[in-house]
Amino acid sequence: ETGVTQSPTHLIKTRGQQVTLRCSSQSGHNTVSWYQQALGQGPQFIFQYYREEENGRGNFPPRFSGLQFPNYSSELNVNALELDDSALYLCASSLPVINEQYFGPGTRLTVT
Amino acid sequence: KQEVTQIPAALSVPEGENLVLNCSFTDSAIYNLQWFRQDPGKGLTSLLLIQSSQREQTSGRLNASLDKSSGRSTLYIAASQPGDSATYLCAVSMDNYGQNFVFGPGTRLSVLP
Repeated sequence: ETGVTQSPTHLIKTRGQQVTLRCSSQSGHNTVSWYQQALGQGPQFIFQYYREEENGRGNFPPRFSGLQFPNYSSELNVNALELDDSALYLCASSLPVINEQYFGPGTRLTVT
Repeated sequence: KQEVTQIPAALSVPEGENLVLNCSFTDSAIYNLQWFRQDPGKGLTSLLLIQSSQREQTSGRLNASLDKSSGRSTLYIAASQPGDSATYLCAVSMDNYGQNFVFGPGTRLSVLP
């Protein structure tokens, strides 16, 4: 059974640029959620995708967007990067009803 | 709005001690509660999942309890080891899809050899 994977591991971008982060869900999981974790804080829910549709969104602006593909992998896109977007971005996959979240290793984004 | 708190924020204990980490949540209408471990700069590893109808779950030296009516969960670690040093986070889910999955800030644990 393959776990949740994320790419890239680290990324450095300049303010105003755009970034795409990728996540492959655990085998058989059709739900992917994205989280932002600032240093020293718990993860904050960005949004969730279920069967290629956005299925819930946290308190993040529209410049945070995403996609889910037929194989349930997912992308997180962030436009017009700001310094405060520097964080660890985590994705988690799950199955509905059971709803146990399995997390990937994260992508560390630094915006300068 | 669901809020999750964890006490203490940090804890340092000698190896071999039994310890308790606390998690509190303001809205008792949760679907489930999950405890995670996070090593510095890494992702989250799921430790225990407790469904709202359950009172506790056990895995090895770990035992998690849930008192939904009082909005509390505890994670008990028996015979702590230096390898247990990490940040421990609890999170509650308000629905069966995980759309509303709220984390606490974590407890940073150091187990000294």
